[in-house]
Amino acid sequence: RKEVEQDPGPFNVPEGATVAFNCTYSNSASQSFFWYRQDCRKEPKLLMSVYSSGNEDGRFTAQLNRASQYISLLIRDSKLSDSATYLCVVSDTGTASKLTFGTGTRLQVTL
Amino acid sequence: DVKVTQSSRYLVKRTGEKVFLECVQDMDHENMFWYRQDPGLGLRLIYFSYDVKMKEKGDIPEGYSVSREKKERFSLILESASTNQTSMYLCASSPPQDLPGNTIYFGEGSWLTVV
Repeated sequence: RKEVEQDPGPFNVPEGATVAFNCTYSNSASQSFFWYRQDCRKEPKLLMSVYSSGNEDGRFTAQLNRASQYISLLIRDSKLSDSATYLCVVSDTGTASKLTFGTGTRLQVTL
Repeated sequence: DVKVTQSSRYLVKRTGEKVFLECVQDMDHENMFWYRQDPGLGLRLIYFSYDVKMKEKGDIPEGYSVSREKKERFSLILESASTNQTSMYLCASSPPQDLPGNTIYFGEGSWLTVV
């Protein structure tokens, strides 16, 4: 079993749609969680951290479910510019030296 | 903003050549990392460094070495390049480990093709 698992997609959604991605992690002691966005042939960039109580940043909402060991990312009112690959990232120790990356979920937003 | 700069964006090297990938960060971060990213495999950690002259092996260190002589610079060395090292290489840096929820910032990547 992979340490961090994501559905690779692609998720094809029309502009304006709401889309959600899940990511499961295997280590119940994991401490920090993040979503990164990666455009084609570009570097990953931090989208948002994921906090225990859930957090929102504009159209993006991240949630953590420790009991079921998954995190989610919800994107409302999808834009064409949201098309990218979304990487789920987990830290087992709370430090950047122990980050584990999922392989990413690809989102394609269409007209 | 954090700036992580990888000097070579696209390289083509021959099998057996020695390859240097350079990375510089301007945020005085203690931690620096080298990852490679391959389709279907995600990002895999090659080496990281938490201080000058210090290095730790990551998940896939075989065939690679690193050098950190200055805090801002972290080099990845392929002693004898092989075709299975064709990949996208990502350098990253991060603040000290004792900051809660810290994460890393990536350079733009170096696309290496070994022929």
